[in-house]
Order: sequence, then structure tokens, then C-alpha cells
Amino acid sequence: KNQVEQSPQSLIILEGKNCTLQCNYTVSPFSNLRWYKQDTGRGPVSLTIMTFSENTKSNGRYTATLDADTKQSSLHITASQLSDSASYICVVSVSGGGADGLTFGKGTHLIIQP
Amino acid sequence: DTGVSQNPRHKITKRGQNVTFRCDPISEHNRLYWYRQTLGQGPEFLTYFQNEAQLEKSRLLSDRFSAERPKGSFSTLEIQRTEQGDSAMYLCASSPRDRRQTEAFFGQGTRLTVV
Repeated sequence: KNQVEQSPQSLIILEGKNCTLQCNYTVSPFSNLRWYKQDTGRGPVSLTIMTFSENTKSNGRYTATLDADTKQSSLHITASQLSDSASYICVVSVSGGGADGLTFGKGTHLIIQP
Repeated sequence: DTGVSQNPRHKITKRGQNVTFRCDPISEHNRLYWYRQTLGQGPEFLTYFQNEAQLEKSRLLSDRFSAERPKGSFSTLEIQRTEQGDSAMYLCASSPRDRRQTEAFFGQGTRLTVV
């Protein structure tokens, strides 16, 4: 069964600090991996998309890594800001299969404290 | 057109009533998806349209749920005889082609509360 597991479930850090969120997946065959940011009460917004051949991708203060051999990804947030408080969802795309083809993690709820 | 638009943003209804939500995708996107998200969970796939054709439905989509996209543009999701378990955020997403290879853009969602 295709699964995406994220850790930690929730995280509280002080403004200005760095943090790393983890994503492990068992999805196969793999197509790509995405990280989304979802503010409370709003729809998810894409941060990064990585294919099999990419092992790191940055978007401002967000840096995602991918290890396709161990099926692990991380999202590193540098110099956190209050606006980074949100849920971060890891999504893995399946190659072939059904029309949807996306497996969502449950997300990591991040709280940035002043 | 600044993105995927969903209406209403919030809906409170009494158990047993019918509700209908609307999604307007990004205009050039021919693929449209509906998801349901409950608190603390990731989005769960409900159904998918390519143009006006409904190509796939999840087992989550009971016979009380129906979705349409009559002209291949906007879509509606109707829930009949609502139950308290239907309370969730209903998300719509659109993409220009197969979403496994490209970005999917989500709307702000419609939060349904069944009392």
C-alpha cells in the first residue's frame, strides 16, 4: 500500500531558528515528491517539486532534499518567521496507476513563537 | 483569473439538508479534482474530471455525493442528506495536464459544518 509518513506530527520553535521536517514514503513506482504549505483554513500551496534525479531544491528559505534510495525527504526552513506557522504536507506522485496518482502525508503542524 | 476559486468559503447546515459547493478552476486547466480534508489529516481524493468527463471516483464518494462539470469549466459538488461525518474542508484543485507530472493548484476550500 502506498503510504507517506511525516514527522514530527507537530513542532514549536522560536522565531529565527531553523528546523527540519521529515517525510518517508513507500510509494511505488515513484514519479515525483512535493512539499506543500497549508495555512490554517486555506488550501495547500506548492513549495517544491522534485523528480527522481533531483536530490535538493530550494525556494527562498525552504530547502527540500530527496534520497530516492532510502525513500526519504526533508524540508529545511532557515531563519524561521512567524508567517511560517502552518502545516507542511509531503505529497508523493505515482507513475502510472489511477488518475489521481497523489499520496498525501498527514502533515507536520509547525508553530513559530516570537 | 488569479487562481482556483471556491464558493462558499464556509457552510453551516443542519443534518439531513442538501448542500452544493462550486469550484472555478484556472481557465486554461482542463483537469479538475475534488478532495476532502478533516482536521489533522492530509487531503483525501474524491473525484477527478478531464474537461466535462468524470474519469474517476474514490470509494469515499458515497451515493449521497455527486459532482458535475457540465461545460468543462466550473464544477459543483453536491452532498445530499448531510451527516455530521461530512463535516470537513472540501478542496478543489486544477491542473493543465496530468497532475502526476505537473503542478496542481488548490483553491481556498469550502469548510462544511453539519450540526
